Amino acid sequence: GENVEQHPSTLSVQEGDSAVIKCTYSDSASNYFPWYKQELGKRPQLIIDIRSNVGEKKDQRIAVTLNKTAKHFSLHITETQPEDSAVYFCAASHTGGFKTIFGAGTRLFVKA
Amino acid sequence: GAGVSQSPSNKVTEKGKDVELRCDPISGHTALYWYRQSLGQGLEFLIYFQGNSAPDKSGLPSDRFSAERTGGSVSTLTIQRTQQEDSAVYLCASSLEGLHNEQFFGPGTRLTVL
Repeated sequence: GENVEQHPSTLSVQEGDSAVIKCTYSDSASNYFPWYKQELGKRPQLIIDIRSNVGEKKDQRIAVTLNKTAKHFSLHITETQPEDSAVYFCAASHTGGFKTIFGAGTRLFVKA
Repeated sequence: GAGVSQSPSNKVTEKGKDVELRCDPISGHTALYWYRQSLGQGLEFLIYFQGNSAPDKSGLPSDRFSAERTGGSVSTLTIQRTQQEDSAVYLCASSLEGLHNEQFFGPGTRLTVL
């Protein structure tokens, strides 16, 4: 069945450093890859997404890259801040309305 | 406007009892998802509704779990004969059909089975 693997499970960085989270997916038909941020005790919220027709997308300090051939996609956070501390989930699905498979999550700690 | 709402926010039940969890999606959202999140774990897909199509039930862990979506809006997740391993936060999300697939999550229902 479909599967999304996410690494690392925990990531600790110093404030101002960059953080990278990587995911791989198994369903080659997947064409939509969102990233969600879940702060402690709160609901997940979309922070950025990418579709299969592009290889990279940026939004201020956040960027996502996609390699469809290798079925890899990554989240890059630059100049990390303490408020970036949260659990980050990658996911894969098809556009047009299909079930979404989430990775297991990465707990990011940004030390001040 | 109003976001996704879920009720109850917390539910404590005894092993063997049935429970019903409710989700009110954002008005106009045709897609509705149920996920289960165990403590410190990821989001486990349970079931997906899209418009009038047959739901995708492939994530339901056992036949004790079922879900309905009446009138294309409100959804109810039912767990029969609850077990302790059912204890988790049950999250509901909704999204628009088509290219806009951002899922908007509800606050979740924390289920504790004693």
